Amino acid sequence: ETGVTQTPRHLVMGMTNKKSLKCEQHLGHNAMYWYKQSAKKPLELMFVYNFKEQTENNSVPSRFSPECPNSSHLFLHLHTLQPEDSALYLCASSLRPQVNTEAFFGQGTRLTVV
Amino acid sequence: GIQVEQSPPDLILQEGANSTLRCNFSDSVNNLQWFHQNPWGQLINLFYIPSGTKQNGRLSATTVATERYSLLYISSSQTTDSGVYFCAVVFSGGYNKLIFGAGTRLAVHP
Repeated sequence: ETGVTQTPRHLVMGMTNKKSLKCEQHLGHNAMYWYKQSAKKPLELMFVYNFKEQTENNSVPSRFSPECPNSSHLFLHLHTLQPEDSALYLCASSLRPQVNTEAFFGQGTRLTVV
Repeated sequence: GIQVEQSPPDLILQEGANSTLRCNFSDSVNNLQWFHQNPWGQLINLFYIPSGTKQNGRLSATTVATERYSLLYISSSQTTDSGVYFCAVVFSGGYNKLIFGAGTRLAVHP
């Protein structure tokens, strides 16, 4: 238990569906992140939020839409995904939006797009 | 470009053996972490070590920031050590962007 919780753990969705991934952290952190891990590729940073404000969008397609209503919660809204979007999606948080604080990860959501 | 390189990519050990995993990075860093990813995908924090040496049980890590590398030592390996080990860095000026290496896949056999 890292203090970062992701739901659901597994998700299968069709290409026309709309779904959302949820991340919640109980660590009092102010920065939250979404990462994507595809088969045989390094973890890729998708989005960074600091104090609820998006500070990084790593050229992510618009079919992925993040939302950060407060410093404890982060969502990733999904719509009209492609099969190549199937991956493990990991959420992380860190204490301060600075460069030298330790990041903690959730268990991940394994997404399959059919 | 900015790079994080891990070696070896794959490692097979007999239980009880020792090993060293290496992480090279292409520029100065403000943050370096080692993670173990278990078979269920969970990334487990091993070390937060932008410089210096730390030890935690059978594991230890050393980062020589001036020479742009970090080493993870696993002693007396156990089957539960199997999985993928990732090094991740925040480059100076990188502002929160934790960049991962490709990982070392470790298999420990009884």
